[in-house]
Amino acid sequence: EDQVTQSPEALRLQEGESSSLNCSYTVSGLRGLFWYRQDPGKGPEFLFTLYSAGEEKEKERLKATLTKKESFLHITAPKPEDSATYLCAVRTDTGRRALTFGSGTRLQVQP
Amino acid sequence: GAVVSQHPSWVICKSGTSVKIECRSLDFQATTMFWYRQFPKQSLMLMATSNEGSKATYEQGVEKDKFLINHASLTLSTLTVTSAHPEDSSFYICSASAAERVKHNEQFFGPGTRLTVL
Repeated sequence: EDQVTQSPEALRLQEGESSSLNCSYTVSGLRGLFWYRQDPGKGPEFLFTLYSAGEEKEKERLKATLTKKESFLHITAPKPEDSATYLCAVRTDTGRRALTFGSGTRLQVQP
Repeated sequence: GAVVSQHPSWVICKSGTSVKIECRSLDFQATTMFWYRQFPKQSLMLMATSNEGSKATYEQGVEKDKFLINHASLTLSTLTVTSAHPEDSSFYICSASAAERVKHNEQFFGPGTRLTVL
């Protein structure tokens, strides 16, 4: 069974304090690993898709990396507006096109 | 581009009534739509996958007679919660996958519908 585990569950940072969120996965054939941002009461907002180990993608203060077992979402010099829940999800070779989500990391950036 | 809308954004209903939630892809054709449910401080759990013009595929433990899904066109899918009970109160989110973006595995999520059953 596909499993996606995110850590930490919650993270509180000071503005400008860089950190990383972790997403570890156990799947049968990875077709893609996705990062989403979700604000309270809203649907997930797409951030990145990673397909193979060694791949990296960046967007503003965010950088996502992928290995064969985990992915990291690095947040450089975060601002209060980066506060949200960050969700990791995978799609696998099973033929299912739906995503399997991790439980998310709730990030709070204090000014 | 790739905008998905949901209606209503929130709904309150009495126990025993039925509620319909619409999911629309506004600027693309969605061959596949997915319905997820999210309880407070938990992640998204897939309920069912629907393909345009065919029956939905439900996840284990999801009652197909209680959660009716219709995907009648390439831009609209509906989820009807029949005979709703308080335990059905949740945040329902749909996502859509565009035919031309299948190879990129992209899914676009709607803003969600908050259902409260009294």
